Amino acid sequence: DAKTTQPTSMDCAEGRAANLPCNHSTISGNEYVYWYRQIHSQGPQYIIHGLKNNETNEMASLIITEDRKSSTLILPHATLRDTAVYYCIVRWTSYDKVIFGPGTSLSVIP
Amino acid sequence: NAGVTQTPKFRILKIGQSMTLQCTQDMNHNYMYWYRQDPGMGLKLIYYSVGAGITDKGEVPNGYNVSRSTTEDFPLRLELAAPSQTSVYFCASSPSAYNSPLHFGNGTRLTVT
Repeated sequence: DAKTTQPTSMDCAEGRAANLPCNHSTISGNEYVYWYRQIHSQGPQYIIHGLKNNETNEMASLIITEDRKSSTLILPHATLRDTAVYYCIVRWTSYDKVIFGPGTSLSVIP
Repeated sequence: NAGVTQTPKFRILKIGQSMTLQCTQDMNHNYMYWYRQDPGMGLKLIYYSVGAGITDKGEVPNGYNVSRSTTEDFPLRLELAAPSQTSVYFCASSPSAYNSPLHFGNGTRLTVT
């Protein structure tokens, strides 16, 4: 059981910000939220992760709510190359398995 | 840096044959994982290892075996291949448990006919 929930699919206009939500209501204090994406059938690519503060890198921003029960990945200016499946996962301290859910299929539309 | 290397890239097996999917990493990572991905579906964890000599089952371990004799290598063994094992297999590694991302290989595409 992945224990994160994401919408199945989303569309975004090219050049606009893509905001991908994720719910992780059972997360506890020292567990990190991670985002990956998978383009076609390539290996998943790490995007960003965070604990409680908002994070930003060259690829994206991660906004985590104050209660840590949900987060949003923001791609500030989506391009066609951002079309991919985006996975939100939590690295749980209670066990070492890393379980992926079905993710969100993002389509960037010209 | 090579990162996580998987071999072979492609393989076709006949039903009942066996094979080993190789995975090696040169980053001295303790944690290693095997996933399978069926067409149009998400990743399913097969087996994982938290260090040399230690392995444990994931979500879908039936039909597979693993070993971890060194930090670098984590081979996945299929003993009696079945059509249901047709999938893309990904290996991943990470240096520690919670505050480090997974690094993935490029996958092995396996077809069992």
